[in-house]
Amino acid sequence: EDQLVETGGGLIQPGGSLRLSCAASGFAVSNNYMIWVRQTPEKGLEWVSVIYPDGSTYYLDSVKGRFTISRDNSRNTLYLQMNSLRAEDTAVYYCARGHCTPTFCYNNPDYWGQGTLLTVSS
Amino acid sequence: DIVMTQTPLSSPVTLGQPASISCRSSQSLVHDDGHTYLSWLHQRPGQPPRLLIYKISNRFSGVPDRFSGSGAGTDFTLKISRVEADDVGVYYCLQATQFPWTFGQGTKVEIK
Repeated sequence: EDQLVETGGGLIQPGGSLRLSCAASGFAVSNNYMIWVRQTPEKGLEWVSVIYPDGSTYYLDSVKGRFTISRDNSRNTLYLQMNSLRAEDTAVYYCARGHCTPTFCYNNPDYWGQGTLLTVSS
Repeated sequence: DIVMTQTPLSSPVTLGQPASISCRSSQSLVHDDGHTYLSWLHQRPGQPPRLLIYKISNRFSGVPDRFSGSGAGTDFTLKISRVEADDVGVYYCLQATQFPWTFGQGTKVEIK
C-alpha cells in the first residue's frame, strides 16, 4: 500500500531553521513528482512547492529563497528545508504524491500524508 | 495568482438529498497543453485531504459514482447525487494549471 509519513515538525523560534521529512513506501519518489502543501485555519490549504522527476522545482513566492525541496532516492524520502522561519509559516505541512498513470501525469496530488505541525513562535 | 472562489461556504444537507458546490476561477484554467487542471478534494476532520475528482470530471480510484464534476473555463461544479453520512467534511477545489497552484476556501458539508 502506498504511504507517506511526514516527520520533523515542532516548535521553532522565528528566524530558525527546520527540515521536514516525508518517507514514502509502496512507490519511488524519484519516479513521481512530489508536493508540499500547508494548511492553517486562517488561510486554508496553500501549495508550497513541487519537485519533478527531472529535478526541476517550483515554490510559492512567499517561501522562495527560504525553503528548499529535495529528495533522497536511496532513502525514498522527500524533504523540505525551511530557513528564516516566520510566524506566518506556522501550519500543518502535508507531503503529497503527484497523480501519474503509466501514460500521463495529471496536475494534482493523489495521495497525502497525515501531516506534521510546525509552530513558529518565540 | 489565480483566485479560486467557492460557493456556498457552508451547506447543510439532508441525508439522501443532492448537494452541489460551485468553484469559480479568476481566469481560465485551460492549460497550454489543452487540459484543464481542476480537481476536487474532500477532507474529514483530523484527516488529510483526499482526491475525489481530477481534470474537471474524472473520478479518482475508489470514489463512488454519486460524486460528479462538471464545468469548463472558469466555472466548475461538484455534485453529490445523494448525500451519505460519510460525505461530511470540507470540500476544496484546486487549480493546478498555473503556478502557484491555488485552492478554494473550502465548503463545509454537514448533515441537517
